[in-house]
Amino acid sequence: NAGVTQTPKFRILKIGQSMTLQCTQDMNHNYMYWYRQDPGMGLKLIYYSVGAGITDKGEVPNGYNVSRSTTEDFPLRLELAAPSQTSVYFCASSYRGGGTEAFFGQGTRLTVV
Amino acid sequence: AQKVTQAQTEISVVEKEDVTLDCVYETRDTTYYLFWYKQPPSGELVFLIRRNSFDEQNEISGRYSWNFQKSTSSFNFTITASQVVDSAVYFCALSYSGGGADGLTFGKGTHLIIQP
Repeated sequence: NAGVTQTPKFRILKIGQSMTLQCTQDMNHNYMYWYRQDPGMGLKLIYYSVGAGITDKGEVPNGYNVSRSTTEDFPLRLELAAPSQTSVYFCASSYRGGGTEAFFGQGTRLTVV
Repeated sequence: AQKVTQAQTEISVVEKEDVTLDCVYETRDTTYYLFWYKQPPSGELVFLIRRNSFDEQNEISGRYSWNFQKSTSSFNFTITASQVVDSAVYFCALSYSGGGADGLTFGKGTHLIIQP
C-alpha cells in the first residue's frame, strides 16, 4: 500500500515550458487535491476533485489545469511556466470531503528559471 | 472566508521543556473540522489530529495534547517534555466548505526547534 505517490520529486523548468506533475493513490479515495507550499506561507489549494470526471478550482488555480479520468490519478498541468510557480507541490487524497483526514504525497519541488 | 492564524513563526526551546503552539481560526460555518499536521525536515506532511466543531473535549496522546476552545476560536497544541525529534514545522488547518468547495485552509506554520 503505497498511499499517495507523486512524480517527479524535483524538477527545473525554463520560463514558458510546460510539464505535468503526476499523482496517483491506491486507497480508492474519491477526493483528491493539489496544494502549493511557498516558504513561510503554508499550503494553498490549487484544484480539487470529488471523483472521476469532476474537478473544481481552489484558492489559486491560475496557470494550472487538472484532469481526473480515473479514481487513482489526478495530474496537474503547468502550461506556460512562470517564476511565480516556483514552489513545492503536494498532492493529497481523502475518503470523502468535509473534514476527513487527508493523506499527502511526498511533494514535488519545482523551480522555474 | 476562512482563515487560520499561527502567530508564532518560530519557537526554539531546550529539550525536555514544554511548548505550546497557538492556532486561532475564523469561519462562518457552524460545522467545521480542525487539524494539526507535522512537517519534519524530510518534507512530508504527517497527520496528527482532527477535531470537529461539536467536540470541545481536550485530547491527549502521549506527550501531545490539544486544547480546543470555541469561545476563543483557538485550537492550541502542547508538546510535553519536548524531544529533538519533535523539531519540525507544524501546521494548523481548517476544513474548507465555502460554496460547496472542499479542501483545507492552512495557517502559515510554526517552525519548532528543539535544542539538545
